[in-house]
Amino acid sequence: QVQLVQSGAEVKKPGASVKVSCKASGYTFTNYAVHWVRQAPGQGLEWMGWINTVNTKYSQNFQGRVTITRDTSASTAYMELSSLRSEDTAVYYCARGANAAFDIWGQGTMVTVSS
Amino acid sequence: DIQMTQSPSTLSASVGDRVTITCRASQSISNWLAWYQQKPGKVPKLLIYQASSLESGVPSRFSGSGSGPEFTLTISSLQPDDFATYYCQQSTHFGGGTKVEIK
Repeated sequence: QVQLVQSGAEVKKPGASVKVSCKASGYTFTNYAVHWVRQAPGQGLEWMGWINTVNTKYSQNFQGRVTITRDTSASTAYMELSSLRSEDTAVYYCARGANAAFDIWGQGTMVTVSS
Repeated sequence: DIQMTQSPSTLSASVGDRVTITCRASQSISNWLAWYQQKPGKVPKLLIYQASSLESGVPSRFSGSGSGPEFTLTISSLQPDDFATYYCQQSTHFGGGTKVEIK
């Protein structure tokens, strides 16, 4: 079935970087963009960026700290966030873009930033 | 930057009630608006895309309507499984969410 499977939970110290993976299966990976969305504890959804065949675009809220890449041979997208601070503690989701919406979501990856 | 404002932020309702949630954009936008349902600790689920198209597998009691800048999500008869938080989304912008609670 169509699914996105993300890497496991991470605990990082302030100032470090984290890289989360998102492996797609059940569909042609290159036909769809992959977006990254995060959700801090008790808060709403925040879009971070996306990648498709030729483009990447990032939210200005993360400019310079987030990098999204993909390995088409592995049907996997990656999101790396650097210079982590406590406010980056959140669940990070990847999601497939279709019809200007996010129709398939990964299970989420909890990233905890703590000294 | 576009702001998506949902109202109300919290809604108390009973099983069987008709529920309407509104999403207003700060500027005129296309009809590329989506609605999601999220339960505590769970992944968001797409309900409606392109303002009024029902995602496959979503019960028909959910419907979307409207055009830029104001859109609505309607649950025609609230069911126990529908108590959750609902988000609207246009492009890279999400609304703040509407929590539907048991009255």
